[in-house]
Amino acid sequence: SAVISQKPSRDICQRGTSLTIQCQVDSQVTMMFWYRQQPGQSLTLIATANQGSEATYESGFVIDKFPISRPNLTFSTLTVSNLSPEDSSIYLCSVQGSGTGGTEAFFGQGTRLTVV
Amino acid sequence: AQSVTQPDIHITVSEGASLELRCNYSYGATPYLFWYVQSPGQGLQLLLKYFSGDTLVQGIKGFEAEFKRSQSSFNLRKPSVHWSDAAEYFCAVAPWAGSYQLTFGKGTKLSVIP
Repeated sequence: SAVISQKPSRDICQRGTSLTIQCQVDSQVTMMFWYRQQPGQSLTLIATANQGSEATYESGFVIDKFPISRPNLTFSTLTVSNLSPEDSSIYLCSVQGSGTGGTEAFFGQGTRLTVV
Repeated sequence: AQSVTQPDIHITVSEGASLELRCNYSYGATPYLFWYVQSPGQGLQLLLKYFSGDTLVQGIKGFEAEFKRSQSSFNLRKPSVHWSDAAEYFCAVAPWAGSYQLTFGKGTKLSVIP
């Protein structure tokens, strides 16, 4: 299985500022995924981050607002820029790894962001 | 585009009672279906998945799910609920077996009465 460490676990930020979330995996993975879970809503895929290439963003998400870095096969960051209260969500990092039943997606514990 | 519907936002059951959480999907091709559980303050944990074969899938923690193509459903069941099962449950679909770009339902919150 893949163990994912996300930092910070939670933060309260002022509007207009930015927050960078770190995702560290205990094994090398090709693809890392970033999701957003808004209050009372489902998880929505923000982007897919491959090492050595630009992240691929889903519809409704843009690089200027959610820049992603992927410097190596075990680490990625997601920055949420120019924060507004609408950005208050849980942000989760996910990777594909080998589980007891074969390949599965593993998730970090999430970063709970509150924008005031 | 694929989509997942979980009709029940919140379900309350008594400990020891049976449980069924509903999930309907919309996808043009063969779906790859998952159920995840999210306990408070925790990340998501995979309960089970369906790719092909037997339509009744066994998972961890005593959960099972049945894929019914005719009803576009993948309902999660457990014969006897434990208090520790109180959590939020998410159904998800992937476009193909090797893809982990998941589309999730909105989740069903399960409360368990002792």
